[in-house]
Amino acid sequence: NAGVTQTPKFRILKIGQSMTLQCTQDMNHNYMYWYRQDPGMGLKLIYYSVGAGITDKGEVPNGYNVSRSTTEDFPLRLELAAPSQTSVYFCASLRGRTTDTQYFGPGTRLTVL
Amino acid sequence: AQKITQTQPGMFVQEKEAVTLDCTYDTSDQSYGLFWYKQPSSGEMIFLIYQGSYDEQNATEGRYSLNFQKARKSANLVISASQLGDSAMYFCAMREGLSGGSNYKLTFGKGTLLTVNP
Repeated sequence: NAGVTQTPKFRILKIGQSMTLQCTQDMNHNYMYWYRQDPGMGLKLIYYSVGAGITDKGEVPNGYNVSRSTTEDFPLRLELAAPSQTSVYFCASLRGRTTDTQYFGPGTRLTVL
Repeated sequence: AQKITQTQPGMFVQEKEAVTLDCTYDTSDQSYGLFWYKQPSSGEMIFLIYQGSYDEQNATEGRYSLNFQKARKSANLVISASQLGDSAMYFCAMREGLSGGSNYKLTFGKGTLLTVNP
């Protein structure tokens, strides 16, 4: 099992550009999440999905969009990138039992200049 | 009010000594879970330990234990016999609404940077 994989690892964007952060898990988990981590801070939830075709907003969804067409993939789309979106982005997945921990991907470090 | 509060931005400990990292939480739910994660300088999030609100005993995982005081709403992480490799950021997180509809979302604290000195 590869677990949760994220691409790219690093990316530099110019203000106003768009990009998609990819997230794939091979554990057949129903639940998937996108978090952002700003310097010196904890993780904040952007969007999450409880299954293919179902997504919902988290704490900080503005400026992002997601889709979940398959169980495995949960891409995060940034439209019109802004410097405030400079952050490390983590994708996570979960099977769905109460005591389950979320499995995290390695993260994508994004800089918007 | 913050749901998860970690009041120690940084902590230092000597190798082989024990250290306690503080975490207090705020919830009105009766059923919830508390997690601790380690984030080394390489950046990945590593799960350490879990405590359910109805668990009567404190959770332990090897050198990690969770000092759970429900009435005080605290869930402190205790690392025994610290090692140099324990130097990292440590995050406390909470999952609320376990009775239903929580979607297993996590709320994180801001973290504590632990440095283990030789």
